[in-house]
Amino acid sequence: KNEVEQSPQNLTAQEGEFITINCSYSVGISALHWLQQHPGGGIVSLFMLSSGKKKHGRLIATINIQEKHSSLHITASHPRDSAVYICAVGTFGNEKLTFGTGTRLTIIP
Amino acid sequence: KAGVTQTPRYLIKTRGQQVTLSCSPISGHRSVSWYQQTPGQGLQFLFEYFSETQRNKGNFPGRFSGRQFSNSRSEMNVSTLELGDSALYLCASSSQGAGANVLTFGAGSRLTVL
Repeated sequence: KNEVEQSPQNLTAQEGEFITINCSYSVGISALHWLQQHPGGGIVSLFMLSSGKKKHGRLIATINIQEKHSSLHITASHPRDSAVYICAVGTFGNEKLTFGTGTRLTIIP
Repeated sequence: KAGVTQTPRYLIKTRGQQVTLSCSPISGHRSVSWYQQTPGQGLQFLFEYFSETQRNKGNFPGRFSGRQFSNSRSEMNVSTLELGDSALYLCASSSQGAGANVLTFGAGSRLTVL
């Protein structure tokens, strides 16, 4: 079993729909990262969180430390949100990130 | 503010050769971490450097090595290249470390081994 599991692996939705991507992990962590990767390879850090909830524009990330689970939500989805979303967990002092396999999101106009 | 710069962006090598990739972090960032991304294995942690010291290493053979200079620029080297080393190599910088700090990624170096 992978230390970091993401679901779904692939998600296709219509423009405007509410999107949820889930990430579960099995190890103790200091922080969880949500990353976005567009075709071509570049990775952008969306959120880093260790508790609670963070919001940036139409993106919301939540984490439940007790349940070892995080979700990334996208409200009013847009075709430009089409990308691969990756969660990664890290531990302070360890500096080694462990990655999920990613969720490929496609938003259809 | 300049971002993380990786060079070269693309390169083609043949089996048995060696390759050196460079990563210049954001000014003031002292942590540089390296990652390998392949279609089969996804993203995997290679190693992390902070103030010229390697603090952690992933599960890769000794052919993969790296170093960090006093100006925080980092290089990674892969010797005796194998076909399976074909991948996108990404570096990221942060102020304190990859584990619990916001990361800024470079655009990556895409290595093809023939």
